[in-house]
Amino acid sequence: QQQVKQSPQSLIVQKGGIPIINCAYENTAFDYFPWYQQFPGKGPALLIAIRPDVSEKKEGRFTISFNKSAKQFSLHIMDSQPGDSATYFCAASIDYGGSQGNLIFGKGTKLSVKP
Amino acid sequence: KAGVTQTPRYLIKTRGQQVTLSCSPISGHRSVSWYQQTPGQGLQFLFEYFSETQRNKGNFPGRFSGRQFSNSRSEMNVSTLELGDSALYLCASSRDYTNTEAFFGQGTRLTVV
Repeated sequence: QQQVKQSPQSLIVQKGGIPIINCAYENTAFDYFPWYQQFPGKGPALLIAIRPDVSEKKEGRFTISFNKSAKQFSLHIMDSQPGDSATYFCAASIDYGGSQGNLIFGKGTKLSVKP
Repeated sequence: KAGVTQTPRYLIKTRGQQVTLSCSPISGHRSVSWYQQTPGQGLQFLFEYFSETQRNKGNFPGRFSGRQFSNSRSEMNVSTLELGDSALYLCASSRDYTNTEAFFGQGTRLTVV
């Protein structure tokens, strides 16, 4: 119940394409869903996050779509660039009455954007 | 504003030894969490500290411990190292335990031989 399942494991797209990474969860108590981007040799960097009260959030070329009833959320990268090649992690956490719980991460998606 | 600083960046230790890793959070951040990252298990939560108190602990053996100092800097310790402890250890800081935004350091790459 505490898992976050992420797919696909790896993804190759051409420059300008729109890669989509999907995550699913079971625990309905999750209320915060961030996405992290990690380059080799670096720590994960917070990209964008969403809460269950909205169905979509955009920040620059990154969009999160959230489907509360299906317990799924996804990351779309518009006009992808070779510099977007990285590993992407979805995550989730629970708000325990104002005290935020730890992040539970998906297994990651290695994205490669070909020039 | 400086980010999360972890030292050292790389460590090689022998089985049975112990190791201490250090994390300095972003200035003004008082909550520090530790995560272990391995190719097989991914990112797994170790523990979280706020105001020098452990608030939350993941499912790791007692060989893994941590502490936080009054200046919010944190250390984690692994005793009696095993080969399976080889991993990237990541520290994340947040303003406080109510805050959702967690910012990660570059990690400490621990290799146990």
